Amino acid sequence: DGGITQSPKYLFRKEGQNVTLSCEQNLNHDAMYWYRQDPGQGLRLIYYSQIVNDFQKGDIAEGYSVSREKKESFPLTVTSAQKNPTAFYLCASRVGGLDTGELFFGEGSRLTVL
Amino acid sequence: AQKITQTQPGMFVQEKEAVTLDCTYDTSDPSYGLFWYKQPSSGEMIFLIYQGSYDQQNATEGRYSLNFQKARKSANLVISASQLGDSAMYFCAMRASYGNNRLAFGKGNQVVVIP
Repeated sequence: DGGITQSPKYLFRKEGQNVTLSCEQNLNHDAMYWYRQDPGQGLRLIYYSQIVNDFQKGDIAEGYSVSREKKESFPLTVTSAQKNPTAFYLCASRVGGLDTGELFFGEGSRLTVL
Repeated sequence: AQKITQTQPGMFVQEKEAVTLDCTYDTSDPSYGLFWYKQPSSGEMIFLIYQGSYDQQNATEGRYSLNFQKARKSANLVISASQLGDSAMYFCAMRASYGNNRLAFGKGNQVVVIP
């Protein structure tokens, strides 16, 4: 079935460690996104990519990095520079172009810093 | 800049009744799209309905309808005949066509359907 796969679903890390969250899609979508969600809050955009080998910062990019070497994959690295990384992370994708363009989401990755 | 406002407190709804979730937005772009998503306790985001700023009619998708009032900049979601499975967080979102088509989200409305 087509969809977006995020892994791992749950992740624990010690302070000072970098961690990479995986996001893979087989929907043949051009654009991919990473959002962060804190309890009781909406989604905030971290990074997005509209084509391979290109990506832009969102509203809260500090302390995060991404790459887009393949159309299907958009991994997010949470670096030690991120001051408060404990959150729920959602990856999404959509067809490129000016269509209705709803986002399709993965099931999320919950990161806890110990 | 785009801004989405959802200010209602958590809501309890009787099964089979209708519920309206408020959403107001602010944008200077003449062309934009409005979305509603559902987030159950499992965490995934489920797309419900879309309304384009130039659409003449309010969008409907099954039991979901969008009450779009452009002059008031509001895009309220109406869920008819509530079911227990409708218990979830509901997020309003907007994408403006200018720039980069980024989707901005509100903070959500919590709905609990009671039998």
